[in-house]
Amino acid sequence: NAGVTQTPKFQVLKTGQSMTLQCAQDMNHNSMYWYRQDPGMGLRLIYYSASEGTTDKGEVPNGYNVSRLNKREFSLRLESAAPSQTSVYFCASSFGGDNSGNTIYFGEGSWLTVV
Amino acid sequence: KNQVEQSPQSLIILEGKNCTLQCNYTVSPFSNLRWYKQDTGRGPVSLTIMTFSENTKSNGRYTATLDADTKQSSLHITASQLSDSASYICVVSGVKAAGNKLTFGGGTRVLVKP
Repeated sequence: NAGVTQTPKFQVLKTGQSMTLQCAQDMNHNSMYWYRQDPGMGLRLIYYSASEGTTDKGEVPNGYNVSRLNKREFSLRLESAAPSQTSVYFCASSFGGDNSGNTIYFGEGSWLTVV
Repeated sequence: KNQVEQSPQSLIILEGKNCTLQCNYTVSPFSNLRWYKQDTGRGPVSLTIMTFSENTKSNGRYTATLDADTKQSSLHITASQLSDSASYICVVSGVKAAGNKLTFGGGTRVLVKP
């Protein structure tokens, strides 16, 4: 009963370092998403993938890249981490798009601190 | 700009009591509205999804209402339990969202005290 699994759970990076957040879902969903959540703000979409092989920018894509490796996996890469990227990152997935009425399932989050 | 405003930002209630959380949105045209529960340190979990044609939906002790004319929704928690302590997030999707983009409210943090 895994659902959406993301790793790592916690990470501390130095400014300028790179890292990749991994996400996998086992529900055969078509759409996958990466969000960030900052204190006092709603979740904001970084990138999404409507289907395998496609990716599109969300609201706050600068400083990030993504790869939809296959239908199950959607990774988020920080090429040169900045303190402004300190946040909690959530991967999510759904069968259809977000205006389809399908439930969106979230992972447990990845806490990233950039010093 | 599409916005989702939630009130109050936080509230404290005694175990066993009821409470109501509010959500006002400006997203138009409207597709659906969702309520999520987010426990501290966890990911959001879906409670309800409503389309414009639905004006109430229940999930156990949680009842969501929607007035698409006034662009308002509420989430009512009945007979609160300690496990209801969490943030509750209102999320709205437009019919022709730019990309696949939901608009998230900032959440209402609920603390249930014994």
